[in-house]
Amino acid sequence: EVQLVQSGAEVKKPGESLRISCKGSGYSFTSYWISWVRQMPGKGLEWMGRIDPSDSYTNYSPSFQGHVTISADKSISTAYLQWSSLKASDTAMYYCARGYYDILTGYYYNWFDPWGQGTLVTVSS
Amino acid sequence: DIQMTQSPSSLSASVGDRVTITCRASQGISNYLAWYQQKPGKVPKLLIYAASTLQSGVPSRFSGSGSGTDFTLTISSLQPEDVATYYCQKYNSAPFTFGPGTKVDIK
Repeated sequence: EVQLVQSGAEVKKPGESLRISCKGSGYSFTSYWISWVRQMPGKGLEWMGRIDPSDSYTNYSPSFQGHVTISADKSISTAYLQWSSLKASDTAMYYCARGYYDILTGYYYNWFDPWGQGTLVTVSS
Repeated sequence: DIQMTQSPSSLSASVGDRVTITCRASQGISNYLAWYQQKPGKVPKLLIYAASTLQSGVPSRFSGSGSGTDFTLTISSLQPEDVATYYCQKYNSAPFTFGPGTKVDIK
């Protein structure tokens, strides 16, 4: 079964750093891009950025560029999302999600399935 | 960047009704459009990709159509378990923007 399992909920103070994780299983981790998606309380879905786990190449949404860092460790099939200095406005649910790779054509498509279960990050003083 | 809009923002319909949600891109995106369903408190679920291809396991009452800038998601006969927020997403190029969502309730 293809699965993405995320790390648990976090409660942090403003200014603290944080790294959350997303572990893939049931498939070749390096063959599929991983994206991160933010959902603030009561709000919609926002694409943050993606990583190619095979070479750690990343793309970021302009809205998140410079605010977060996406990385991956292919040796343990895990992608990460990290902050160096959290703000209260970073309070949200964060999802990782896998893109699609067409083995027959070699094309990558960025619709997302499956998704991780989500990591709730709460930033409060 | 290409902006995605959805209409309506919410709707209430009776069980068995046909429900249509519209998604519009500010520029043409061919058929690089996906639809997701998010039930309250749950993880988003892929329903449709390539504008009209039903993801495996998704009930056939869901269908998608459109190309270019205008797309629709149709639920042919609304069921109680379809109460959710529905999002479109473009994926022709980064950033892979989501629409603002359409909340569907039962009347």
